[in-house]
Amino acid sequence: EAQVTQNPRYLITVTGKKLTVTCSQNMNHEYMSWYRQDPGLGLRQIYYSMNVEVTDKGDVPEGYKVSRKEKRNFPLILESPSPNQTSLYFCASSLSAYNEQFFGPGTRLTVL
Amino acid sequence: EDQVTQSPEALRLQEGESSSLNCSYTVSGLRGLFWYRQDPGKGPEFLFTLYSAGEEKEKERLKATLTKKESFLHITAPKPEDSATYLCAVQAYNNNDMRFGAGTRLTVKP
Repeated sequence: EAQVTQNPRYLITVTGKKLTVTCSQNMNHEYMSWYRQDPGLGLRQIYYSMNVEVTDKGDVPEGYKVSRKEKRNFPLILESPSPNQTSLYFCASSLSAYNEQFFGPGTRLTVL
Repeated sequence: EDQVTQSPEALRLQEGESSSLNCSYTVSGLRGLFWYRQDPGKGPEFLFTLYSAGEEKEKERLKATLTKKESFLHITAPKPEDSATYLCAVQAYNNNDMRFGAGTRLTVKP
């Protein structure tokens, strides 16, 4: 089944404790992206990747890191999480930057 | 800066009561406008892509249209299962990112 998977689905952590949210797609897509979704603000793009080893900042990259060492995986790293990073996070992938995106099920992160 | 504004924020309809959702955008050269549906607790699901003014696309009770400044998602004779948040997103020619609106939360009462 073609899909985007994210892990974990739910995470509660404390300020400053490094964490990684994994994202994997099985559709051989070139483009991958991370978003955060907050009430009233909609989806905001954090980082995106056009291809392996090519990443770029979206609208809200501060406090986040990404890497794209393989085509199928695009982990999101929070080196020192803060409470303002409490949010619902979505990973997405598409054939290219110009095609419709397929979204993962989301990761709900709470930083205390 | 590219901007996307969706209205209304929330819309409550009776089953069978047709209506439209609006997506206004400001972008320097539109590459594509996307509509997605999002159910509670799930990721957005793709509905349509529109590329040029005058273009229309249909799927069941939904029809999306595009002008140079806005897009409409028309819902004809909606059913309760159409209840969801509908998201609009734009992509410009001069960059590779995607900008989303805040969404319209649609509730259809039986």
